[in-house]
Amino acid sequence: QKEVEQNSGPLSVPEGAIASLNCTYSDRVSQSFFWYRQYSGKSPELIMSIYSNGDKEDGRFTAQLNKASQYVSLLIRDSQPSDSATYLCAVNVGDYKLSFGAGTTVTVRA
Amino acid sequence: DTAVSQTPKYLVTQMGNDKSIKCEQNLGHDTMYWYKQDSKKFLKIMFSYNNKELIINETVPNRFSPKSPDKAHLNLHINSLELGDSAVYFCASSPGPVSYEQYFGPGTRLTVT
Repeated sequence: QKEVEQNSGPLSVPEGAIASLNCTYSDRVSQSFFWYRQYSGKSPELIMSIYSNGDKEDGRFTAQLNKASQYVSLLIRDSQPSDSATYLCAVNVGDYKLSFGAGTTVTVRA
Repeated sequence: DTAVSQTPKYLVTQMGNDKSIKCEQNLGHDTMYWYKQDSKKFLKIMFSYNNKELIINETVPNRFSPKSPDKAHLNLHINSLELGDSAVYFCASSPGPVSYEQYFGPGTRLTVT
């Protein structure tokens, strides 16, 4: 079983719609969860971090965490063409290691 | 000012050569990392350093030797390069262990021919 699994893409959404990205993880003791955005040919950019169960909102982004279900998600509201990128879910496995999912590629259609 | 910088940005070399990649962060962070992103875009940890001390070596071949001269720098030397080493290598840093967010450098695209 992979440490971090993301829903396979690519995900295509129309401009203005909500993009929903899902991630599950295998290590029950993980405490830190991150979403990174990576544009083609660029480095990963941190967009959200979440540590407690529930929702965390930052602008058009909402991260949701459910530790009991070992599930973390990212919602992108009012999707814009500039949101077209690969989104990486990352989960800590121990103190000094982040395990990344394979990424979900999102395309926002104008 | 660039928070995490890497040099060079591109590296093209032949099999069997030795090459180095340098990384510097000006964020005052204690922890630095090397990641490898392969052609399928999978991002995998290679090494973690905390306060110049190696914490994690993620079963990387010993042809790869990291070195941290101080907290702000983490270099990666690769001996006897192989075709399979072709990838993008990212340096990252964080204030401390991974409960803190990691910030990535721009990456070094290594091509071995």
